[in-house]
Amino acid sequence: DAGVTQSPTHLIKTRGQQVTLRCSPKSGHDTVSWYQQALGQGPQFIFQYYEEEERQRGNFPDRFSGHQFPNYSSELNVNALLLGDSALYLCASSLKSTNEKLFFGSGTQLSVL
Amino acid sequence: AQKVTQAQTEISVVEKEDVTLDCVYETRDTTYYLFWYKQPPSGELVFLIRRNSFDEQNEISGRYSWNFQKSTSSFNFTITASQVVDSAVYFCALKPNTDKLIFGTGTRLQVFP
Repeated sequence: DAGVTQSPTHLIKTRGQQVTLRCSPKSGHDTVSWYQQALGQGPQFIFQYYEEEERQRGNFPDRFSGHQFPNYSSELNVNALLLGDSALYLCASSLKSTNEKLFFGSGTQLSVL
Repeated sequence: AQKVTQAQTEISVVEKEDVTLDCVYETRDTTYYLFWYKQPPSGELVFLIRRNSFDEQNEISGRYSWNFQKSTSSFNFTITASQVVDSAVYFCALKPNTDKLIFGTGTRLQVFP
């Protein structure tokens, strides 16, 4: 049973570029949440997707957007990259109806130069 | 305000010592969940425990134990007889009556042989 998988594992971009990160949830899960973890900090909630819609959003600008597909997988898009966007981006999946614990992927390490 | 405070930035112990990681939380919600996650160098957040706000029973799982005290808004985590493999960053997190997790800044535990 595959857990949460994220791709790519590492990414290097330059300021102003756009990036897309991908996440496949754990089998049986229907909800995907994205978190940003800056170096030395705890993860910060970006947003959550359920039934292909953004359900809740954290304190992140509109440059951060996402999408959920019918197979429950999700993408995180970041436009006009800033140096401060350099971080580990974590995807977490869960089953909405059970309110159970989140399962996290290993993340995508994004470096913006 | 909803917040999690992990005042200990880094703890170093020698193998077989007991160690307690502190967590203090703030929320006005009467229903909430508390979590502990372990983050090894690989980056993945590994679930350790979930406790709901109505269950103040302490829990023991092998060498791990958790002490939940609503009166002091604390949810502390103790590792008994620590091992080198316990070295990681540990995060305490709060899930108030929303869909997001609010993480503390983490405590880096180093266990030396």
